Amino acid sequence: AQTVTQSQPEMSVQEAETVTLSCTYDTSENNYYLFWYKQPPSRQMILVIRQEAYKQQNATENRFSVNFQKAAKSFSLKISDSQLGDTAMYFCAFMRARDDKIIFGKGTRLHILP
Amino acid sequence: DSGVTQTPKHLITATGQRVTLRCSPRSGDLSVYWYQQSLDQGLQFLIQYYNGEERAKGNILERFSAQQFPDLHSELNLSSLELGDSALYFCASSGPTGGSPTDTQYFGPGTRLTVL
Repeated sequence: AQTVTQSQPEMSVQEAETVTLSCTYDTSENNYYLFWYKQPPSRQMILVIRQEAYKQQNATENRFSVNFQKAAKSFSLKISDSQLGDTAMYFCAFMRARDDKIIFGKGTRLHILP
Repeated sequence: DSGVTQTPKHLITATGQRVTLRCSPRSGDLSVYWYQQSLDQGLQFLIQYYNGEERAKGNILERFSAQQFPDLHSELNLSSLELGDSALYFCASSGPTGGSPTDTQYFGPGTRLTVL
């Protein structure tokens, strides 16, 4: 069975700083996808970034980037130049390629402080 | 705005009752997924439909059922409701027409169900 672990329940950083959110996963699959979703106070689930396991290059979306270490089964999210609007719950998620069921971690609550 | 719509936004009902949650996927998306987010269980996958047929099942209770209609909208039916069913229910969609079903899932705004 697949599992996703986010070891940081809550984090706080100052605005404009860089923050890294950790995520590890466990799977015997070779072909899968990893995601970071953001859930702001509005409760909407917003896709932040996606990584295909077969790609060695780390995904980047503007201020958001990942450090994907396949052998270590690690998938951390780096937020650069953090903004107040980044305050949210962040979920790491895993999806194996042969079905579309997403497994979510418990989430990391991130506070960006002014 | 993800393009996925869910109605109603809020629902308050009593134990033992039955409710129906509705989801309209993004234009062209063939897959619809249902998730439950509760304080104790976190975000859990319930069920997926692809082009009208059930494709994958997660931790969905027997009291819950879903279907996807020919126009691709989906409904999640929850019956014999219990206090523990209070949660935020999300619908997500993926898979533009002709594309692979394994694609990014875009979430709707959710329906908050409160069972009293």
